Amino acid sequence: DTGVSQDPRHKITKRGQNVTFRCDPISEHNRLYWYRQTLGQGPEFLTYFQNEAQLEKSRLLSDRFSAERPKGSFSTLEIQRTEQGDSAMYLCASSLGGGGPLYGYTFGSGTRLTVV
Amino acid sequence: AQTVTQSQPEMSVQEAETVTLSCTYDTSESNYYLFWYKQPPSRQMILVIRQEAYKQQNATENRFSVNFQKAAKSFSLKISDSQLGDTAMYFCAFMNNNAGNMLTFGGGTRLMVKP
Repeated sequence: DTGVSQDPRHKITKRGQNVTFRCDPISEHNRLYWYRQTLGQGPEFLTYFQNEAQLEKSRLLSDRFSAERPKGSFSTLEIQRTEQGDSAMYLCASSLGGGGPLYGYTFGSGTRLTVV
Repeated sequence: AQTVTQSQPEMSVQEAETVTLSCTYDTSESNYYLFWYKQPPSRQMILVIRQEAYKQQNATENRFSVNFQKAAKSFSLKISDSQLGDTAMYFCAFMNNNAGNMLTFGGGTRLMVKP
């Protein structure tokens, strides 16, 4: 296993278009997290899954955002009707159950979204 | 809600010298964890060091150590014998010991190690 992978690495889209990002966590990790990081800032929590269940969503996750994790494996994050304010790095991370406090997370390299 | 503050947006240090990055946090929780993460340019975030709030002993990982002052809600990172590869953004992060284990990050400190 090579860690958490995210695809694509970069995405440029026109305002109003829909985009979808994919995250493949470490295979034995049952928790998967999405964070958003704007330029020069720390990441902010968006949502997390335990297996296939989405257990918490941040108020940052507007109605235009939707995340799924079918079968508890990979996850997708979709942004509909993109706005310029959506431009950011979208980070995915995974952890093993309660292992977060012990080991932190394993982060992916992120998907950088630019909305023009 | 928790907040994490890093008051030093940028710092620089000469190679082989020691540097300390500051972090303060605010919480009403008693059972939590603190982390320092490193994010090199265009690369993924990696864990540097972690501290359990119930432990009084400061965590150490090779050249990296922390000064955890629970009463003052302070959690600074000391990097000894700085190396060029330490150049990166450093983020302090707080984790509640609750079901979700979400991280709350500070705004980051950009560290430049100069040869």
